[in-house]
Amino acid sequence: KAGVTQTPRYLIKTRGQQVTLSCSPISGHRSVSWYQQTPGQGLQFLFEYFSETQRNKGNFPGRFSGRQFSNSRSEMNVSTLELGDSALYLCASSISGISYNEQFFGPGTRLTVL
Amino acid sequence: QQQVKQSPQSLIVQKGGISIINCAYENTAFDYFPWYQQFPGKGPALLIAIRPDVSEKKEGRFTISFNKSAKQFSLHIMDSQPGDSATYFCAASMRTPGTASKLTFGTGTRLQVTL
Repeated sequence: KAGVTQTPRYLIKTRGQQVTLSCSPISGHRSVSWYQQTPGQGLQFLFEYFSETQRNKGNFPGRFSGRQFSNSRSEMNVSTLELGDSALYLCASSISGISYNEQFFGPGTRLTVL
Repeated sequence: QQQVKQSPQSLIVQKGGISIINCAYENTAFDYFPWYQQFPGKGPALLIAIRPDVSEKKEGRFTISFNKSAKQFSLHIMDSQPGDSATYFCAASMRTPGTASKLTFGTGTRLQVTL
């Protein structure tokens, strides 16, 4: 069974640009969550999508947005990039997003903002 | 506000020794406590998880001890091996609709197991 895949793996952008990251969950998983990982702030929850609906959102500015498609694939978008957005962006999928369902993480997309 | 505090930040253990990582939480609504292991260049992977209705859970060399009254839980790695060298994260979440996937992570512990 294929794991969670994220594309691209590495990305370099400049301030003010926007970026779109993609996540393909494990087959059959309907919940997709996004996390930002930085050395300073650690792992922080961005948002979760289930059945194409955003079900929960973390404390990030509106520049961070996402969506989920009918095949459960998800994208996240960051507009007007800032230097502080440089981070590893992780996607995790689970069967339903109900507690005790294991979340499986992808390898992440390393975003560098210059 | 950091809701899950993790210590130590880094840990060096000799091969065969016991590695102990501690976490404390503030939100009493948390009811699911997983531990994740992360190797460089990889995403976190679930190691072991516990619910607050049990005080201990063991899987192979990995044991979680849970103290509900103290709002603390810890990971013990017995017979630590060089292959265990990684960063370990504790986490917590609430089992309510729409929030279960929101994991609140500790700050991580970088474990190095020496020969």
